[in-house]
Amino acid sequence: DQQVKQNSPSLSVQEGRISILNCDYTNSMFDYFLWYKKYPAEGPTFLISISSIKDKNEDGRFTVFLNKSAKHLSLHIVPSQPGDSAVYFCAASSMYSGGGADGLTFGKGTHLIIQP
Amino acid sequence: DGGITQSPKYLFRKEGQNVTLSCEQNLNHDAMYWYRQDPGQGLRLIYYSQIVNDFQKGDIAEGYSVSREKKESFPLTVTSAQKNPTAFYLCASSIGEGLAGAEQFFGPGTRLTVL
Repeated sequence: DQQVKQNSPSLSVQEGRISILNCDYTNSMFDYFLWYKKYPAEGPTFLISISSIKDKNEDGRFTVFLNKSAKHLSLHIVPSQPGDSAVYFCAASSMYSGGGADGLTFGKGTHLIIQP
Repeated sequence: DGGITQSPKYLFRKEGQNVTLSCEQNLNHDAMYWYRQDPGQGLRLIYYSQIVNDFQKGDIAEGYSVSREKKESFPLTVTSAQKNPTAFYLCASSIGEGLAGAEQFFGPGTRLTVL
């Protein structure tokens, strides 16, 4: 049973426009959420995170929104650039299960393609 | 220059052979992790270690073994008992405590192909 779901395997966005990547989770114990970006044959790189005590976190062109009641988060990238083309993974962690050190639960990823 | 190294980048083995994947970090992180990625799938946790000489099974530990004799090193052995070993293997580390402990830094990965 998938606890973190990214229902869009791919997303195509025009350069300069906003990219919105969505993620849903089912485990109500999750209280820390992260987004990673991954290029083919490389390890993921951390992008941005959000704690469940917040509903928004912003870092430059990247903003993550969290809707706890809907168990939904989204990553907004604006404006989208060609270098943003990659696979984006949503991940979740629970501080209740021993803290952040016991591994992350990942979604299957969304392949973002930025069209020129 | 701090980071996580995994070697080799590509690894080929015959069916039935055990193979050990290397992971080293010089970030002074306490926690280390192994994940595998299959095509169209997310990362799935194999094993993790929060401290030297201690490790726990993740979601898909069957057919794998690990050791954590040094803080810097967390090698993963893929045994012949692993039914589908061909995959992309990723090692990660984190400081291990609190919210920041959830932020994991990943190595470049090893692609293992079993022939």
